[in-house]
Parts: sequence; structure tokens; C-alpha cells
Amino acid sequence: AQTVTQSQPEMSVQEAETVTLSCTYDTSESDYYLFWYKQPPSRQMILVIRQEAYKQQNATENRFSVNFQKAAKSFSLKISDSQLGDAAMYFCAYRNTDKLIFGTGTRLQVFP
Amino acid sequence: EAGVAQSPRYKIIEKRQSVAFWCNPISGHATLYWYQQILGQGPKLLIQFQNNGVVDDSQLPKDRFSAERLKGVDSTLKIQPAKLEDSAVYLCASSQTGYSTDTQYFGPGTRLTVL
Repeated sequence: AQTVTQSQPEMSVQEAETVTLSCTYDTSESDYYLFWYKQPPSRQMILVIRQEAYKQQNATENRFSVNFQKAAKSFSLKISDSQLGDAAMYFCAYRNTDKLIFGTGTRLQVFP
Repeated sequence: EAGVAQSPRYKIIEKRQSVAFWCNPISGHATLYWYQQILGQGPKLLIQFQNNGVVDDSQLPKDRFSAERLKGVDSTLKIQPAKLEDSAVYLCASSQTGYSTDTQYFGPGTRLTVL
């Protein structure tokens, strides 16, 4: 069965600095998709970035980028120029043709 | 474009009572999902609908949980009777086709507290 592991329950960063959130996953599939979702206190899950496993190039979305290491089954999220509004829970998620599987989340605090 | 709507936002009930949650997906989205998110955990899929048919309900506790999606649009999730361990946030999501390439859009969730 596929599993997603986020080993950092909490992280903190100073405003304008860079932070990296870690995620590892376990699968025997070769074709799948990986996601990072943000969940602010409002509880609404918001898609931050996605990566197709067949693409070697790391996805980027403005200040958000990923480091996708397929052989190591690692999918970390880098947030550059952190802003106060980035404070939230961040969930890593995996999907092939089946259901979306989430990790346990990392709470990110941003200090001014 | 309006997002996924859910109601109520909060609900407090006693154990053994019944409760129902409502979800209205994004217009035109064929696939609707219900997730359960227990405090400190990531969301877990309970049931997935494709139009008004069930695609996956393997993790739905069918002795107490039920869900329907009449006419392939709105959906309701019911718990009867509720247990203490049902305290969680219930998230509804929708996607255009249900393919794994599709983005799932989430609603604000309903926080259920069972006393």
C-alpha cells in the first residue's frame, strides 16, 4: 500500500527567509502524481504545487518549488521569501489511479 | 467561479445522535469526494462519487455512515448513530473528471464534535 510520511510536525521560518518541508513516500508504481496542499486555519485545503512523476523537471509556482527525487521517493517543498500569509499546515499527497493519500502534515510558523 | 460549498461549518452533538452534512461541488464537476480529517492527521477518503454513482467507498464505515449524491450534483453525508471517535473535520472536494491528473478543489469543511 502507498504511504506518505512527513517527518517534521512543525517548522518555523523568519519572514523573507527560505524554508524546506520534507516528504517521503512509498510506492511500487512508476506513474503517479505528487501534491503539496496548504491548509490555513480556515480549514480549506488549497493546492500549492503538483508534480507528475514522469517529468524530471522540478515544478515551480512563483515562490514555491519542489525537489523531486524519484529514486529516493522524496518530494520536498521549498518556500522562498516566506510571507506571514504562508503560515499554515502543509500536507504532502500522493495519487496514482487510486485515491489521494495524504501525509500527517507540517505546521509552518512564520515570524516577522 | 464559485468554490465548493459546505454546511454547516460547525456541529456539536451527543453520542448516538444523528447528523448530516451537505456539499455543493463546483458547477460542472463530475466527481465528488468526502474526506474525514481527524485532528493531527491528514484527510482520509471516505467515499468518491462519479456523477451519481459510487466509485470507491472502501473506507466508509457503512454500519453508521451513509452518503448520497442525487442527480449527480449536491451530496449529503450522514452519520447515524455518532460515536466519540467520529469527532473530526469532514471535507468535501470535487474535480472535473476524476482522473488522477485532475486537481481536487476542497470546501471549507464541517467541524464535528461528538460529546
